Amino acid sequence: GAVVSQHPSRVICKSGTSVKIECRSLDFQATTMFWYRQFPKQSLMLMATSNEGSKATYEQGVEKDKFLINHASLTLSTLTVTSAHPEDSSFYICSAVGGDWGYTFGSGTRLTVV
Amino acid sequence: RKEVEQDPGPFNVPEGATVAFNCTYSNSASQSFFWYRQDCRKEPKLLMSVYSSGNEDGRFTAQLNRASQYISLLIRDSKLSDSATYLCVVNPHNFNKFYFGSGTKLNVKP
Repeated sequence: GAVVSQHPSRVICKSGTSVKIECRSLDFQATTMFWYRQFPKQSLMLMATSNEGSKATYEQGVEKDKFLINHASLTLSTLTVTSAHPEDSSFYICSAVGGDWGYTFGSGTRLTVV
Repeated sequence: RKEVEQDPGPFNVPEGATVAFNCTYSNSASQSFFWYRQDCRKEPKLLMSVYSSGNEDGRFTAQLNRASQYISLLIRDSKLSDSATYLCVVNPHNFNKFYFGSGTKLNVKP
């Protein structure tokens, strides 16, 4: 089946630094990738939709200059949290459209900003 | 109004019980519906799709009620391993955007 690899699984960073999260489709080409954020005991919230070769589309309330998304190839999308602050601490998950079924999640990245 | 709403629970049931969750959606034009399972601190995993005619997979049955705009998930003969959060997912317009419910937590106890 379709596999989406997400790295790192956990990251701790200092306030003010930037963190990059990678999302790779391993055995299929993902024309569209989604980035979600999940705070404790809350649902997944869509942050942005990333289409290969074009600018990401951000959901209302998500700062595009803070959450930089790059989808330069059909197998890789990256999310960079710039100037991270403690309130950015969350579980970030990517998902990719492609493969047999069409919608596969990465394993998630737990970001802690101290 | 939220796109998708679920009772957060928790539903605490004994092993072997039958339990059902509902999920309501606001957009009557919604096209696709799914149930996902999420274990603590893990990514969601597809449990089953929900078809207009209903869908059954072993102990799990999913149904769609378009008139009342809800989907349901029925779990029969609950196992300890069924303990998780069950997310309702709705695709309102096309394949490229999905909305998640906040999840319903299920605890199956011995």
